[in-house]
Amino acid sequence: KAGVTQTPRYLIKTRGQQVTLSCSPISGHRSVSWYQQTPGQGLQFLFEYFSETQRNKGNFPGRFSGRQFSNSRSEMNVSTLELGDSALYLCASSPSGTTHYEQFFGPGTRLTVL
Amino acid sequence: AQSVTQLDSHVSVSEGTPVLLRCNYSSSYSPSLFWYVQHPNKGLQLLLKYTSAATLVKGINGFEAEFKKSETSFHLTKPSAHMSDAAEYFCVVSDPDYGGSQGNLIFGKGTKLSVKP
Repeated sequence: KAGVTQTPRYLIKTRGQQVTLSCSPISGHRSVSWYQQTPGQGLQFLFEYFSETQRNKGNFPGRFSGRQFSNSRSEMNVSTLELGDSALYLCASSPSGTTHYEQFFGPGTRLTVL
Repeated sequence: AQSVTQLDSHVSVSEGTPVLLRCNYSSSYSPSLFWYVQHPNKGLQLLLKYTSAATLVKGINGFEAEFKKSETSFHLTKPSAHMSDAAEYFCVVSDPDYGGSQGNLIFGKGTKLSVKP
């Protein structure tokens, strides 16, 4: 089975722009979670989607949004980019999203905001 | 609420010597616990998981961890470090409180493992 894929792998944007990141989960996985990783804050949960519905949401401003499609692929969008949004954005998929299932992570998208 | 504390932010060992990465957790429930590894500029890879079966869990690449409920610990060990083990390691606990703002998995701050030749 192919792993979790994320596109693009690297992205450079300027302040005020918006960006869309894409994640394709492992085939058959219906849960997709997004995380932001920075040196200062570590790994922070953004949101989780399951069967096209947002099931959990982290403590991020409304500029961060996401969606999931019927084929379980997910996108996240960040509007009005700020310098502090520079981070590695990780997507993870899970078979059903129950707590005892591990999540499988993609390689991440490295976003740099100038 | 769940929480995870990784007791060392950085551990340095010599190649061929044992590795010990320490993790304590706080949980009101029977937790599921995981160790993930992240190599530079890569995503996270699952090393091993504990889900209330055997308390000694064996993972990939010779790593293992022991769940000790009385000590609320889940330390990661390896008998002999290899240069390729140099990476960042995350201890993770599951959160059964679905709907929480932390999501399903609660991550520790990470421990960077350096391996000297």
